[in-house]
Amino acid sequence: HLQLQESGPGLVKPSETLSLTCTVSRNSINNHNYYWGWIRQPPGKGLEWIGSIYYTGSTYYNPSLKSRVSISVDKSKNQFSLKLTSVTAADTAVYYCATNPGTVAGPVSHWGQGTLVSVSS
Amino acid sequence: DIQMTQSPSTLSASVGDRVTVTCRASQSISSSLAWYQQKPGQAPNLLIYKASNLENGVPSRFSGHGSGTEFTLTITSLQPDDFATYYCQQYDTSPYTFGQGTKLDIK
Repeated sequence: HLQLQESGPGLVKPSETLSLTCTVSRNSINNHNYYWGWIRQPPGKGLEWIGSIYYTGSTYYNPSLKSRVSISVDKSKNQFSLKLTSVTAADTAVYYCATNPGTVAGPVSHWGQGTLVSVSS
Repeated sequence: DIQMTQSPSTLSASVGDRVTVTCRASQSISSSLAWYQQKPGQAPNLLIYKASNLENGVPSRFSGHGSGTEFTLTITSLQPDDFATYYCQQYDTSPYTFGQGTKLDIK
C-alpha cells in the first residue's frame, strides 16, 4: 500500500523559499500509473491544488501559483519536491503531498499526513 | 477557474439519520467529481470518484449522484465515525478546485 511522507522546515521567513520533500514508500516514483502532486490547506480553510508531476518530469501547475512554484522528481531517492518562492503569510498552510492514479486530472487516491508550514519573521 | 459551491456549510444530524450534501459547479464538469472526508488533524480521504463510484473500502452507506453541474453526497444511517468535514473536488479542468467544505456535526 503506497505511502507518502512530507518533510521540510516548519517555519519560513517572508520573501524566502519554501522547500518540501515527499518520500514515496511501498511504490516507485517511476510507476507510470501515478502522478505526484501537492495540495495545501490554510488553517481552518479549504483545499487548494498546487501542482503535479509525472515521473517523466512533465509538470502541471495551478496558474495562480505558477510563477512561484516548482515541482521536481528525484528518482534516485524515490522522492518529489516542492519549491515555492517569495512566500508571504498567505502561504501559511498544511502542505500535503498526494498522488492521482492514471491521470493528472483525477481524484487523489493517497495523501501524506501533511506538514504545517508557517510563514513568519 | 471552475468554482465549486457546497451546501450547506454546516449540517447537524444524529446517529442513524440520512443526510445529503450538495456540490454545484460553475460550469459543466461531466462526471469528473470526487468526494473526500476529512477529520480534524488528518488528511482527506477519498470516498467517491467519477461522481458515483465508491472507493475501495468505503462503506456502502455513502453514495454519490449527479453529473454536469449538480452533485450530491448522501450518507444513510449516520455512524459516529461519519462526523467530519466533507469536500467535493472537480478534476475536469485545471486548476482542479475544491468546494469550501461541509462540516457534519452531532445534533
